[in-house]
Amino acid sequence: AQKVTQAQTEISVVEKEDVTLDCVYETRDTTYYLFWYKQPPSGELVFLIRRNSFDEQNEISGRYSWNFQKSTSSFNFTITASQVVDSAVYFCALSGGTGGFKTIFGAGTRLFVKA
Amino acid sequence: DGGITQSPKYLFRKEGQNVTLSCEQNLNHDAMYWYRQDPGQGLRLIYYSQIVNDFQKGDIAEGYSVSREKKESFPLTVTSAQKNPTAFYLCASSIRRRPNTEAFFGQGTRLTVV
Repeated sequence: AQKVTQAQTEISVVEKEDVTLDCVYETRDTTYYLFWYKQPPSGELVFLIRRNSFDEQNEISGRYSWNFQKSTSSFNFTITASQVVDSAVYFCALSGGTGGFKTIFGAGTRLFVKA
Repeated sequence: DGGITQSPKYLFRKEGQNVTLSCEQNLNHDAMYWYRQDPGQGLRLIYYSQIVNDFQKGDIAEGYSVSREKKESFPLTVTSAQKNPTAFYLCASSIRRRPNTEAFFGQGTRLTVV
């Protein structure tokens, strides 16, 4: 069965600190897709990034970066120089393989960034 | 603006009543989904639909029903058979039902049983 674990329930940092959100996934499939979504206080989830299992290149987008390591089944998300606007719940998700199109979400990590 | 509109934002239901949550999208997406979000549990799939007049049960469909009479609309009914309906409900859509496509979400409906 597929599973996504986000062990960090809540993280609190002070503005300008770097913070890493951990994501560990389980799947027996060779082809799958990993996602990160952000859920601000307004409620809707906003797509941040998608990675397929054959692309282990790390990605950087502004202050955001993602580290995908198949050897440890991890897809971690780092925010550099955090800002108050980064305060949200962040979800890691997995789809593909035997799960098909169904997306399995982790429990989410709530990030508080204090001014 | 293109997007997904859920209404109402807050909904209160008396025990034993059925209630319907609205979800409309103008993104011309084929696939639509309903998720339930409970604290500390992530999102769980209730129902999904790939095309008009077709829908499938997700992981927690008991006590819920849906319809897909129009491409733009995918309402969810929470029936009295749902024993613990208090939760945050999210509607989503994607261009097609493929594992590599991201979903677009509405702002959710918070349902409370009183």
